[in-house]
Amino acid sequence: GAVVSQHPSWVICKSGTSVKIECRSLDFQATTMFWYRQFPKQSLMLMATSNEGSKATYEQGVEKDKFLINHASLTLSTLTVTSAHPEDSSFYICSARDPGHPNTEAFFGQGTRLTVV
Amino acid sequence: EDQVTQSPEALRLQEGESSSLNCSYTVSGLRGLFWYRQDPGKGPEFLFTLYSAGEEKEKERLKATLTKKESFLHITAPKPEDSATYLCAVQAAGGTSYGKLTFGQGTILTVHP
Repeated sequence: GAVVSQHPSWVICKSGTSVKIECRSLDFQATTMFWYRQFPKQSLMLMATSNEGSKATYEQGVEKDKFLINHASLTLSTLTVTSAHPEDSSFYICSARDPGHPNTEAFFGQGTRLTVV
Repeated sequence: EDQVTQSPEALRLQEGESSSLNCSYTVSGLRGLFWYRQDPGKGPEFLFTLYSAGEEKEKERLKATLTKKESFLHITAPKPEDSATYLCAVQAAGGTSYGKLTFGQGTILTVHP
């Protein structure tokens, strides 16, 4: 079945540095991908919708200059956390749906645990 | 604004003790309601999609049902390996974000041997 791969699975970075997270659709071309953030014992909160070849759409309260999203190809979207601070430490998860099968589930990556020290 | 509320927040069961998880939703036209399982430190794993009231789907010990206001995930004779967080999500019909899901806060299920 369709698979979404996320990399890295975990990363530790120093405060003030930037971190890039990759999300790849392996079996299909995803014109749209989604980035979620999940704090401990909380549910997934949508951060932004990544659109191939155009600007991402950010949810209210999410800083677009801090969370840079690039969707340069039909199989790859990246999320860059710029000038990371400890409060950015979280579990980041991407998802995509196969546009060829619209009435199917969204596939999720395995998530990236970001720890900012 | 689409809203999803799950209850209970946590559920502890003995192995073999059947129960149900609830997902109440408010959405401006439902395209689909999704159930996912999430293990600690991992991304959600798809379980079911329900599209219309009255629909039911089953997979092993799990059965999902849907009404116009809520969905239930019934767990029959659970085993310890069913322990996980169960997430409910809805996708609204129309809109510009194809595939965008709104999640509930999840139910943490623990099944004791």
